[in-house]
Amino acid sequence: DAVMTQSPLSLPVTLGQPASISCRSSQSLVYSDGNTYLSWFQQRPGQSPRRLIYKVSNRDSGVPDRFSGSGSGTDFTLKISRVEADDVGVYYCMQGAPWPTFGQGTKLEIK
Amino acid sequence: QVQLQESGPGLLKPSETLSLTCTVSGASISAFYWGWVRQPPGRGLEWIGYIYYTGRTNYNPSLKSRVTMSLDTSKNQFSLKLNSVTAADTAVYYCARDGVPSIDDYYYGLDVWGQGTTVTVSS
Repeated sequence: DAVMTQSPLSLPVTLGQPASISCRSSQSLVYSDGNTYLSWFQQRPGQSPRRLIYKVSNRDSGVPDRFSGSGSGTDFTLKISRVEADDVGVYYCMQGAPWPTFGQGTKLEIK
Repeated sequence: QVQLQESGPGLLKPSETLSLTCTVSGASISAFYWGWVRQPPGRGLEWIGYIYYTGRTNYNPSLKSRVTMSLDTSKNQFSLKLNSVTAADTAVYYCARDGVPSIDDYYYGLDVWGQGTTVTVSS
């Protein structure tokens, strides 16, 4: 089973500044079909998780283009180009095959 | 748009069986995979498993011995049962649309979530 490790676990960011979250897997996430099922989720305080990114770099509908995902193999990154107040919350990476496992979460707060 | 709503008892005693139902609107449950995810208080997310309309299931190995999922196509609902609960099963339980690797460009895995329901296990 792939163990997902995120860093940092706490991320204070100044409004308008960029933010970056790393996610590393204990094994390659390239699936047998050639795709990489790595997703990113945002969980705002008191809300359900919301998926932002799927298959490494595909933004879900309605997700601002300030959010971008990249990476390959075992190393992945979620970047926010300019942090807004609405971005406060916990961000999780997740690998989806053969069964989903999540990272520990990264708490983004405004400095 | 697709919406999901969890329902079920919020308080259980140790050794009892947790039973939750998720009602789906805006999509037929016969067209997708449907899953459950839980989140203990102040902690991260744990995938519990999914079910497909054919009855195909896939469960988290750590919970597999205690989990059963089912669905009711006539009511557009799917359900979770977790037996022999302990305090460690106290969590917010979310239902979500799930997915599996496929040739499609779009990947459905956990793309739509319910609002969650809190289950507390306490004597």
